[in-house]
Amino acid sequence: QVQLQESGPGLVKPSQTLSLTCTVSGGSISSGAYFWTWIRQHPGKGLEWIGYIFYNGNTYYNPSLKSRITMSIDTSKNQFSLRVTSVTAADTAVYYCARARGPTDYWGQGTLVTVSS
Amino acid sequence: DIVMTQSPDSLAVSLGERATINCKSSQSVLYSSNNKNNLAWYQQKPGQPPTVLIYWASIRKSGVPDRFSGSGSGTDFSLTISSLQAEDVAVYYCQQFYSTPWTFGQGTKVEI
Repeated sequence: QVQLQESGPGLVKPSQTLSLTCTVSGGSISSGAYFWTWIRQHPGKGLEWIGYIFYNGNTYYNPSLKSRITMSIDTSKNQFSLRVTSVTAADTAVYYCARARGPTDYWGQGTLVTVSS
Repeated sequence: DIVMTQSPDSLAVSLGERATINCKSSQSVLYSSNNKNNLAWYQQKPGQPPTVLIYWASIRKSGVPDRFSGSGSGTDFSLTISSLQAEDVAVYYCQQFYSTPWTFGQGTKVEI
């Protein structure tokens, strides 16, 4: 059974960088079959798709966030990561890492990141 | 971007009754080469991540009760819960994975 777990600071100051890591267990992140994905959900709101990274490092970022987003992957640790620069209160959200192969079939539990001074 | 619009925003249904949620995409999500609609439905309960119920518009994920069904093609889709159970209270989202950025509907809250 594949499991994903987000980790990272729960509080980030405005203008700083948000960094999250997703650790995958129960399956290899090196499989070429999946898109390793980040999705966020603002409090009480709907789902916003951030982007994905492929096992070989190829990425696709949502254009709405592209200028501030970087994703990376570490196959040796079975992890992938998200960085969001120059954060504001609008980046306060629950961040989910997930696995997608077309549909998004496995999700982490999510981690709340609050942007506040 | 493909815009996904769900209706209604919320729905109150009696136990045992049918619930239907609609999802309309701003352009077709039918992939002509394999005749599959690149659309999924998710259920999200409070404090939990979403879980996929239906993919390719009408294929029920293994383990999902058969009271959940998906239909539609092209730009118009529906999720039906044939006999609402208490555990089905949740927010339901459609999502297209036809073209990037993959996009979600705004969600439909189903209540008793």
